[in-house]
Formats: sequence, C-alpha cells, structure tokens
Amino acid sequence: AQTVTQSQPEMSVQEAETVTLSCTYDTSENNYYLFWYKQPPSRQMILVIRQEAYKQQNATENRFSVNFQKAAKSFSLKISDSQLGDTAMYFCAFMRSNTGTASKLTFGTGTRLQVTL
Amino acid sequence: EPEVTQTPSHQVTQMGQEVILRCVPISNHLYFYWYRQILGQKVEFLVSFYNNEISEKSEIFDDQFSVERPDGSNFTLKIRSTKLEDSAMYFCASCAGVEETQYFGPGTRLLVL
Repeated sequence: AQTVTQSQPEMSVQEAETVTLSCTYDTSENNYYLFWYKQPPSRQMILVIRQEAYKQQNATENRFSVNFQKAAKSFSLKISDSQLGDTAMYFCAFMRSNTGTASKLTFGTGTRLQVTL
Repeated sequence: EPEVTQTPSHQVTQMGQEVILRCVPISNHLYFYWYRQILGQKVEFLVSFYNNEISEKSEIFDDQFSVERPDGSNFTLKIRSTKLEDSAMYFCASCAGVEETQYFGPGTRLLVL
C-alpha cells in the first residue's frame, strides 16, 4: 500500500515571498503520478500541479513548481511570489500507474498555508 | 470550462435515515469516484466506478453504501442508514482516462444528527 506524508501541519509566508511545502511518499511502484491539490476555505479541491514519475523534468505551472526526487521519494511544492489567494490547505496525492482501471488518489494529511501581508 | 457539480451543497439528516448525494461528472469523462473528508482530516477514497461497475472500493465502503449511474449524466452515492460518523464532506471526482487527472466537485457537506 502507498502512503503519503506531509510533515508540516501549518506554514506561514509573507506576501510576495517564496515558500516550499514538503511531501514524501512510500511505494514499491516504479511508475506513478503525483499531484498537489489546493483546498481553500470553500473546501473545493483544486488541482495545482501534476508530475509523472517517468519524467525527470520537474513540473511547473506559473508560480507553482515542484522538486521531484524519485530516489528519495520526495515531492515538494514551491510557491513563488505568494499571494493572499494562495491561503489554503495543500494536499499531496499519489496515484498508481498501469492498473488498467480507475486508479484512486491517496492523500497526505495536508499543510495549512497562511499568506500574510 | 467544464466542471464537476454536486447537489446538495449541504445536507442535514437524522441518524438511520437514507441519503442520496448527487454528482454530475464532466460530460466526456468515463471514470468516476467518491471521496470523503471528515472535518480536519485527510481526504479518503471510497469507491471508483467505470463502465457501470465498481472498479475498486475501500474498507469504508461497506454494505451501507452504494453507487449508481442512473442515466447518462448523474452519478450518485447512497448511504442507506446513516450513522453519526458518516458526517463528512463528500467529494465526487471524474477523469477522462485511466491515468488522467481527477477533477473534483465542490463537495456535499453531510451532517448526521
């Protein structure tokens, strides 16, 4: 079974600064996908970024980028130029590949990010 | 932009009552999921559904739960006899293919009294 660990329950960053959220996972699979989802106070789950394990290049999406270290099973999210609207709960998630059917997401416990003025 | 929708947004029910949570996945998606999130906890997988069959279910998804795709658009989660511990946010998600990104609905907040 896969597990996802987010060791930072809460973090705070000032507006316009950069913050990095940590995520580690445990799996025996070689091919898989990793995601960061954002959950603002409305509790909607919003996709932030996706990474395919077979790709060495780290995914980026505007101000959001990841540092994917496959050997270390680490998948951190960097938010640059933080904005007040980035205040949310951030969940790291794992999805197996090559299952031939609908694959579930396994989530971490989340990191609550507060962006301050 | 297409999105997953869920109704109702909030539901309050008495213990032992049946509830049906409704979801309309994105129209060209083929794989459907239910997740739940108890307040303050992580999101947990309940069930996945494809081609009118359950693909996988978790230990949480016991005989009290069922899913159905009654027509070409809706995807429902039924809880037959609700318990206090069923109080949670329930998320529906859908995706277009086996290894595609899952897109989530806004959730239904269920409160069992």
